[in-house]
Amino acid sequence: EIVLTQSPGTLSLSPGERATLSCRASQSVSSSYLAWYQQKPGQAPRLLIYGASSRATGIPDRFSGSGSGTDFTLTINRLEPEDFAVYYCQQYGGSPLFTFGPGTKVDIK
Amino acid sequence: EVQLVESGGGLVQTGGSLRLSCTASGFSFSDYYMNWVRQAPGKGLEWVSFIATSSATIHYADSVKGRFSISRDNAKNSLYLEMDSLRDEDTAVYYCARQAAHGNIDYWGQGTLVTVSS
Repeated sequence: EIVLTQSPGTLSLSPGERATLSCRASQSVSSSYLAWYQQKPGQAPRLLIYGASSRATGIPDRFSGSGSGTDFTLTINRLEPEDFAVYYCQQYGGSPLFTFGPGTKVDIK
Repeated sequence: EVQLVESGGGLVQTGGSLRLSCTASGFSFSDYYMNWVRQAPGKGLEWVSFIATSSATIHYADSVKGRFSISRDNAKNSLYLEMDSLRDEDTAVYYCARQAAHGNIDYWGQGTLVTVSS
């Protein structure tokens, strides 16, 4: 079973700062099948990054993804007020078919 | 515009059954794999079930295997989740989710709340 671990659990930052979120897998994950989502209270998740580093349609370029194997990173440059939310990583193709990480909350310092 | 609209949620007794529906529009439904993903109150996302385009391949999370059944009707652009033997821990918002080529979810419905209580 592939388990995704996200760190930190909570990240307290100010607008304009850079956020670095980590996602670690218990076994190697294909980069093609690693995604990141943003979720705000009361809303469905929104796809940010797919294939570990490709931005989804309409996602600002301050969001970037990187990594391979078992270690992946989501970076948000110059945090905007609307970026304060919970972020989840997700893998596809292992066992179980989909796995989500527990999430990282980015809140305002 | 891609739209996924869930319905069928509500309050149900422990051990009871419920059927969720998801109506898709704005894309060729029959061309896409579909999933159900749930989120318990205040918790993270949990994948529930997957169905391929022709329904030939279906997968379930271990937590719902043997109790939930996913299906689709491509002629009606609809996805379903039949939930039996419901437990308190099945309480969650259930999202209908379209799967994209890289195994990610590119569109989500607004979710429907299922509350299981004795």
